[in-house]
Amino acid sequence: GAVVSQHPSRVICKSGTSVKIECRSLDFQATTMFWYRQFPKQSLMLMATSNEGSKATYEQGVEKDKFLINHASLTLSTLTVTSAHPEDSSFYICSAERGVAGYGGELFFGEGSRLTVL
Amino acid sequence: EDKVVQSPLSLVVHEGDTVTLNCSYEVTNFRSLLWYKQEKKAPTFLFMLTSSGIEKKSGRLSSILDKKELFSILNITATQTGDSAVYLCAALPTGNQFYFGTGTSLTVIP
Repeated sequence: GAVVSQHPSRVICKSGTSVKIECRSLDFQATTMFWYRQFPKQSLMLMATSNEGSKATYEQGVEKDKFLINHASLTLSTLTVTSAHPEDSSFYICSAERGVAGYGGELFFGEGSRLTVL
Repeated sequence: EDKVVQSPLSLVVHEGDTVTLNCSYEVTNFRSLLWYKQEKKAPTFLFMLTSSGIEKKSGRLSSILDKKELFSILNITATQTGDSAVYLCAALPTGNQFYFGTGTSLTVIP
């Protein structure tokens, strides 16, 4: 089956540093990838939609200058948390859509990245 | 406002019991409904339902969609401790936005 790889799975950093998380679709091309954030005991919150070759679409309330998304190829999207602070500590998950973008494509998730900002 | 509501929020059952999880949705230009199982890490895909009234099955799990009443159910028969997880449903309209419910936390006691 389709596999989405997310890296790193766990990262600990100091306040003020930037962290990059990669999301790769390993056996299919994904023109659309999604980035989510999950708060403890809550569901996934969509942060942004990443479209290959164009700017990401951010959800209301998500700071685009803080959460930089780059979708440089059909198999790779990256999320960079810039100048991270303790409140950015969370579980970040990506997903990639296989199929015609936006038309009932199947969604596959990465394993998530646990970010801890000290 | 588009939304997805799941019930119950949490459920505790004994091994061997059958459970039914509910998901109702109000989404403009609805296309499909998806069910996911989430354990410690990322959600794993279970079902995608697009047509009303057609049951999808995978082992002890089954799901069905009612597009007239705007809901879906996920059934798990003969539950096992390994079924303990949070079950998420998501509504997918035409377009890229997925709307997730808050999930149902299922605990199966030996």
